[in-house]
Amino acid sequence: TQLLEQSPQFLSIQEGENLTVYCNSSSVFSSLQWYRQEPGEGPVLLVTVVTGGEVKKLKRLTFQFGDARKDSSLHITAAQPGDTGLYLCAGAKSYGGSQGNLIFGKGTKLSVKP
Amino acid sequence: DTGVSQNPRHKITKRGQNVTFRCDPISEHNRLYWYRQTLGQGPEFLTYFQNEAQLEKSRLLSDRFSAERPKGSFSTLEIQRTEQGDSAMYLCASRWGGQNTGELFFGEGSRLTVL
Repeated sequence: TQLLEQSPQFLSIQEGENLTVYCNSSSVFSSLQWYRQEPGEGPVLLVTVVTGGEVKKLKRLTFQFGDARKDSSLHITAAQPGDTGLYLCAGAKSYGGSQGNLIFGKGTKLSVKP
Repeated sequence: DTGVSQNPRHKITKRGQNVTFRCDPISEHNRLYWYRQTLGQGPEFLTYFQNEAQLEKSRLLSDRFSAERPKGSFSTLEIQRTEQGDSAMYLCASRWGGQNTGELFFGEGSRLTVL
């Protein structure tokens, strides 16, 4: 079974602080996605990374895909209360051809206090 | 609103009853997914369809669970003889299957509480 482990599970910080969330696996993924979920809503895609070593930036969020495509990180600079939510990483199970399901990690619950 | 629509949003039932959830995906999406999410956990894959064909089912999907997508548009997820352990949020998602890295668009979920 391919498992995605996220750490930390919970993170409570003050506005303005920086943070990094990790997503690790012993398996290789063809691509990895990060989603953000707010209470009572479905997850919403933030980014997709495909190439090993790839770095993508989305405003104050920086995403990195590990060289071996087994792990990923999400770094938030100068966190704001609006960043509060559940951050989920999800790995694509299949390679090439038609893609099957996405495997989700358990998530990191982030709380940013003003 | 042309997003993924799920109903009912909330369902409270007694143990042993059957429940059915419906998902209307984004119209041009050929792939439809069902996930289950419990408190403090990430979504767990249950099954997915490409058009009307059910291509994969998780081992989590016991014989009490059945999903259909008869015309390749909306889908239903039925749980028979519900148990308290079935209490969870059931999320539906859809995407266009032509892209292997395509974004999954999720609905707001159907929350099931089994008493």
